[in-house]
Amino acid sequence: TQLLEQSPQFLSIQEGENLTVYCNSSSVFSSLQWYRQEPGEGPVLLVTVVTGGEVKKLKRLTFQFGDARKDSSLHITAAQPGDTGLYLCAGARTDKLIFGTGTRLQVFP
Amino acid sequence: DVKVTQSSRYLVKRTGEKVFLECVQDMDHENMFWYRQDPGLGLRLIYFSYDVKMKEKGDIPEGYSVSREKKERFSLILESASTNQTSMYLCASSPGWAKGPQHFGDGTRLSIL
Repeated sequence: TQLLEQSPQFLSIQEGENLTVYCNSSSVFSSLQWYRQEPGEGPVLLVTVVTGGEVKKLKRLTFQFGDARKDSSLHITAAQPGDTGLYLCAGARTDKLIFGTGTRLQVFP
Repeated sequence: DVKVTQSSRYLVKRTGEKVFLECVQDMDHENMFWYRQDPGLGLRLIYFSYDVKMKEKGDIPEGYSVSREKKERFSLILESASTNQTSMYLCASSPGWAKGPQHFGDGTRLSIL
């Protein structure tokens, strides 16, 4: 059973467009992490959100943790080709992380 | 800089073979993890270890075993490889808290023929 569903699964956009990726669950998480994975490499941590309703910004990326700590979103403003990659959310439960299904983003110049 | 090194980037093995995947971290992290990554399924946890000689089953341990004889090294073993174990395998480590941020290796793409 997949506890964390991400949508959309694939996203293909032009440079300069905005986009939002969603990470949803029926379970509560103590914190949530977002990773980006580029081809041929392992995932790299982007951010951790801990408090319900928390918003964190990382340059053009805005991360939000839902009030009930069951969901999260990643918004990218003015996407660039360098944003291309697989975006993974991961929720912290008991003694491990639960990873989402992933969103593959392609940004064309 | 932190470094998690997986011994092979690509590996091709035959059905029934015993396969060893090695992972080494240089950050003195307590926790180490093995995941497999398949399209549309994200990362699924196979096994993890929070100390030397300790191991815990993850969500999909069947057909796999692990070994952690030294703190820096965590090995994944496919006892008798099968075609449904063809996948990308990722090793990760983290300090202290097992559900904290993890550092990943670049993965081993394993094909079982």
